[in-house]
Amino acid sequence: AQSVAQPEDQVNVAEGNPLTVKCTYSVSGNPYLFWYVQYPNRGLQFLLKYITGDNLVKGSYGFEAEFNKSQTSFHLKKPSALVSDSALYFCAVRDPGRGYQKVTFGTGTKLQVIP
Amino acid sequence: DTAVSQTPKYLVTQMGNDKSIKCEQNLGHDTMYWYKQDSKKFLKIMFSYNNKELIINETVPNRFSPKSPDKAHLNLHINSLELGDSAVYFCASSQGGANYGYTFGSGTRLTVV
Repeated sequence: AQSVAQPEDQVNVAEGNPLTVKCTYSVSGNPYLFWYVQYPNRGLQFLLKYITGDNLVKGSYGFEAEFNKSQTSFHLKKPSALVSDSALYFCAVRDPGRGYQKVTFGTGTKLQVIP
Repeated sequence: DTAVSQTPKYLVTQMGNDKSIKCEQNLGHDTMYWYKQDSKKFLKIMFSYNNKELIINETVPNRFSPKSPDKAHLNLHINSLELGDSAVYFCASSQGGANYGYTFGSGTRLTVV
């Protein structure tokens, strides 16, 4: 079965500092990986995805994520955090080889950017 | 202009009632989903339809019944509502392939009293 773990419930970072939100995954085959952001009282918004190719993928709002197959990780990063980045971030995985229509979401990490 | 729209946005109802949540997408996507987000923000898939065909039916009480009249609409009907059904329900859609992300609606906050 596919699964994804976000080990931190909350990440605090000062505005202007780099941020990292961690994600590890488990699938039987090659994973399709996604990051979503949820602002208060809103639906989730797609940020970026890794399907194949370059391990560093760039997405919306200056976010990027690095796929590391040996560590089964897909950490979300941003070089310089903004207060407006404060939100709930979800990592998600899809195993294209099995039940590919189903995406499994992590438990979410609350990012707090401190002015 | 809204890509995935859900109605109503808020729903407060008494235990035992029957209610429906509607979802429509104008993106031309083939696949639609219902997710439940609990009070701890955990997201759990409930159902998925691809071109009006049910393809994912997770372990949810049979009081929950999805219906897809066409590929642009996916409704959720809930019978005999219970306190534990209180949550935010999200509709989402995607292209049919596994490498596509989801577009989510803004959610329906259901409160059962």
